[in-house]
Amino acid sequence: GENVEQHPSTLSVQEGDSAVIKCTYSDSASNYFPWYKQELGKGPQLIIDIRSNVGEKKDQRIAVTLNKTAKHFSLHITETQPEDSAVYFCAASTPGRGSNYKLTFGKGTLLTVNP
Amino acid sequence: DTEVTQTPKHLVMGMTNKKSLKCEQHMGHRAMYWYKQKAKKPPELMFVYSYEKLSINESVPSRFSPECPNSSLLNLHLHALQPEDSALYLCASSRLGLVPSNEQFFGPGTRLTVL
Repeated sequence: GENVEQHPSTLSVQEGDSAVIKCTYSDSASNYFPWYKQELGKGPQLIIDIRSNVGEKKDQRIAVTLNKTAKHFSLHITETQPEDSAVYFCAASTPGRGSNYKLTFGKGTLLTVNP
Repeated sequence: DTEVTQTPKHLVMGMTNKKSLKCEQHMGHRAMYWYKQKAKKPPELMFVYSYEKLSINESVPSRFSPECPNSSLLNLHLHALQPEDSALYLCASSRLGLVPSNEQFFGPGTRLTVL
């Protein structure tokens, strides 16, 4: 099955700095890659996603890049703010049994933005 | 209405109890999911319903029994649980059933403690 590796497991930055979280996946059939933000005591919130026919996508301070050849995708947050502090999960959508697809998550990155 | 709701927020039960978790969405989504999340871990898929039919069961023990009464509601019936089943149980929904670029929207979760 699919395996998604996520690094780093923890990341601490100063307010205003940039943060980068990297993920790799193993199954070349994966073709959709969402990123979720999970704050303490809440469910994961979809913040940005990218499809395999796109190399980069940006939404205000957040951007995601995808390198299909290397099976690698990254989340970039610029001008970080304390409210960006949370656990971030990458995921890959992979085919399962029959025509079913499911998300495989990375292990998460705890981002702390220090004021 | 653009959210997934879950009740109760917290649940404490003994190993001999029977309880149910409830999930509801009114976004017209036709796929609904149950995930289990242990502390500091990513969500783990348990069940997927697509068009009110069980599509994926990730080899979940029979003490967990899902039910999808209609396209807006998803239940998880619990019976004879073990303390290691204590976790955050997340419900999610998506617009289409089991396709690659399928954005999943998560509820806030039910924090379950089994004594």
